[in-house]
Amino acid sequence: SQQGEEDPQALSIQEGENATMNCSYKTSINNLQWYRQNSGRGLVHLILIRSNEREKHSGRLRVTLDTSKKSSSLLITASRAADTASYFCATGETSGSRLTFGEGTQLTVNP
Amino acid sequence: DTEVTQTPKHLVMGMTNKKSLKCEQHMGHRAMYWYKQKAKKPPELMFVYSYEKLSINESVPSRFSPECPNSSLLNLHLHALQPEDSALYLCASSHRLAGDYEQYFGPGTRLTVT
Repeated sequence: SQQGEEDPQALSIQEGENATMNCSYKTSINNLQWYRQNSGRGLVHLILIRSNEREKHSGRLRVTLDTSKKSSSLLITASRAADTASYFCATGETSGSRLTFGEGTQLTVNP
Repeated sequence: DTEVTQTPKHLVMGMTNKKSLKCEQHMGHRAMYWYKQKAKKPPELMFVYSYEKLSINESVPSRFSPECPNSSLLNLHLHALQPEDSALYLCASSHRLAGDYEQYFGPGTRLTVT
């Protein structure tokens, strides 16, 4: 079963604006990962944040993790049309050996 | 080489056919995965291999049969599928079997069952 819930389900913004997506989960985790998927293609790993980290940056991406609230956010700054994709959070659980994916956010960046 | 390749890209098969999906990676990863993904949904885990041994089977119907001939290859044999099995089938690999590692995904095989 999928334990992650993402919010919003869909987001439409103009190029140059920032996009924020949120992810909530239910169990204890080792880490939380974010993936991007362009339409009908494979997923691409974006960033991994461990349970003892609070914030991580990678280029235009900023991820935060609040384990007390069991939530994470992904911020994409200065968005581009090429950022249009589905974004999934995935949790690596302390008790398991798999990733559990959230429902995803469909981001559309309009030129 | 940080690529996972999958063949074929597209597959159309009848309900009585037998076909196979193939996946290959040369990153030295010892964990490999099969996922099924329906439109606008997240990937659903089907099978996991660790060191060429089946580690996780998520109660997948027996009409799907995985095989891991060696550390670089992963196959998914298909037989007597149903139309509801039409989906994007994704292969992935990771350094080891653990939620600690990022997974590298192939581009997927778009399967249509008629």
